[in-house]
Amino acid sequence: DADVTQTPRNRITKTGKRIMLECSQTKGHDRMYWYRQDPGLGLQLIYYSFDVKDINKGEISDGYSVSRQAQAKFSLSLESAIPNQTALYFCATGRSGGPTGELFFGEGSRLTVL
Amino acid sequence: AQSVAQPEDQVNVAEGNPLTVKCTYSVSGNPYLFWYVQYPNRGLQFLLKYITGDNLVKGSYGFEAEFNKSQTSFHLKKPSALVSDSALYFCAVRPLGDYKLSFGAGTTVTVRA
Repeated sequence: DADVTQTPRNRITKTGKRIMLECSQTKGHDRMYWYRQDPGLGLQLIYYSFDVKDINKGEISDGYSVSRQAQAKFSLSLESAIPNQTALYFCATGRSGGPTGELFFGEGSRLTVL
Repeated sequence: AQSVAQPEDQVNVAEGNPLTVKCTYSVSGNPYLFWYVQYPNRGLQFLLKYITGDNLVKGSYGFEAEFNKSQTSFHLKKPSALVSDSALYFCAVRPLGDYKLSFGAGTTVTVRA
């Protein structure tokens, strides 16, 4: 089983619909992140959480919200989806307490907003 | 604020030839630098990192990267490329004391047989 699991892997929806992308991890990491990937733009940080009670906005948080339900679960919501939110979304985890800070990524959730 | 530039959208090499993927960065203070690889329909996989010490860092799958502070570069290299190295490569940076990674736009590597 994957250490970082994202659901759904693919979703097609219509403008104005509410969408939730879920992420769960078995790595025991306290830090979790949501990134968005667009061709030619790399990955942009949407939100990040350093523990259950700590939620922070990233570079492109407008139109998104998150919930950290438990240390192992971090969900991303689009309250009213719009076409320019069509992208590949990645959840990532990281471990605190060490200096290195490399992240571990899920397989991605491809969202299409029509 | 930190930033990463990958000046080449695509790199094409023949199998067996050396592979170089370029990365330059901008960050306040000492950088932590990373390379990730993304295969089709997969998430990003960690390749290697520079934290401190030797400027030449060795990582997974025969890749290495050289940190050059004066040129603010962290180029990824492989002496002999394989067709299976064809993928999208991302350089990332974070400053000391910050746990948010900033990624470059990515470089698509194609290795032809």
